[in-house]
This record gives sequence, structure tokens and C-alpha cells, in this order.
Amino acid sequence: AQSVAQPEDQVNVAEGNPLTVKCTYSVSGNPYLFWYVQYPNRGLQFLLKYITGDNLVKGSYGFEAEFNKSQTSFHLKKPSALVSDSALYFCAVRDVGLGDDKIIFGKGTRLHILP
Amino acid sequence: DGGITQSPKYLFRKEGQNVTLSCEQNLNHDAMYWYRQDPGQGLRLIYYSQIVNDFQKGDIAEGYSVSREKKESFPLTVTSAQKNPTAFYLCASSIVSEKLFFGSGTQLSVL
Repeated sequence: AQSVAQPEDQVNVAEGNPLTVKCTYSVSGNPYLFWYVQYPNRGLQFLLKYITGDNLVKGSYGFEAEFNKSQTSFHLKKPSALVSDSALYFCAVRDVGLGDDKIIFGKGTRLHILP
Repeated sequence: DGGITQSPKYLFRKEGQNVTLSCEQNLNHDAMYWYRQDPGQGLRLIYYSQIVNDFQKGDIAEGYSVSREKKESFPLTVTSAQKNPTAFYLCASSIVSEKLFFGSGTQLSVL
């Protein structure tokens, strides 16, 4: 069965510093990987996805993520954090090998950007 | 405006009662999903549907039921068998294999 792990419940970063939010996954086939962000009492908003091709994926609001097949990771990164980046971030995966559209999420990582 | 609409925003359930959460989309998406969000547990998949009149159980389907009679609608019923229903429920839709579009959620609480 597919699974997603976000090993950090919370990440604290000073404004202007680079940030990384970690995600690892397990699938039987090839993965489709996604990052979403959630602001308080709201639904989730799409940030970026990896389907195939270049391992470095660029997304919304200056975020990017690097797909690493050997480490089964898809870490979210941003070169310079903003206070407005403070939110809850979710990694998600679809296992292409299953042949259906089941998409599961990690537990989320709360990102605090300190002014 | 195109989008996905969940209603109501807040819902209260009495002991032994079934309640139904509404999810409607006008994006012409084939796939629809229901997730449950609890603090510290992330999003857990309840049910998903790839096509009208067909749906599959997710990881926590017990105590829930769904229907998919129309492409644009995917209502979720929380039955009395669900003993811990208090949570934030999120509906989403997508074109197959593409990103999910989420509704704004329904907060269900037990009276």
C-alpha cells in the first residue's frame, strides 16, 4: 500500500532564511507527488506536483521541490522564507502502479516563519 | 465561478443520528474525494470516486457512506456507527491524475 511520511510536525525558520519541509513516500509503482498548503479553517491549495521529467519542480509562491527516486523523497524548499509562508503543509502521493486515483496525504508539517 | 462547494460550513450531530455533508462541483471533474482532518493526523481518505455510479473505500470508510449518482455531486453520510465523528471534513475533485481542487470544508461536531 502507498504511504507518505512527513517526519517533522513543526519547522521553525527565521524570515529570509531558506526553508525545507521533508516528505518521504512508499509506492509499488511510479509516484505522482504533490504539495499543498492550508491556511486556518480553509481547504487546501495546490503548490506543485511531480509527474515525470525534471526532478526539480517549481511551483507557486516561489516554492520548489526535488524528486529523489533513490531516497524516495520529495522535499519542499524555498530559498528565502516570508512570514506569510507560515501555514500547514501537506505532501500527497498517488501510486500509479495501483491503476486507480487513490491519493493519500501525510500528517502535515506546520511551518512557522519567525520575523 | 467554477469551483467546489461544501455545505453546511458547520454541522452538529446528535447521538444516534445520521447526517449528510454536501459536496458539489461545476468543474466537470470525473474524480471526487472525501477526506477527514483531525489535529495531528493529517488528512485521511474516507471514500473516492473515479466515475459516476462507482466509488471505492479509502483508509477509514467504516461508519461512512457515499453516493455518486451525478458527476457533479458526491454527498457523504456520517452514520450513527461512526463513534467519533467530530472532525473537519474536506471534499475534493480532480481531472484524473491531476491536482486536487478542495472545498472550504465542513466542521462536524457532536452535541
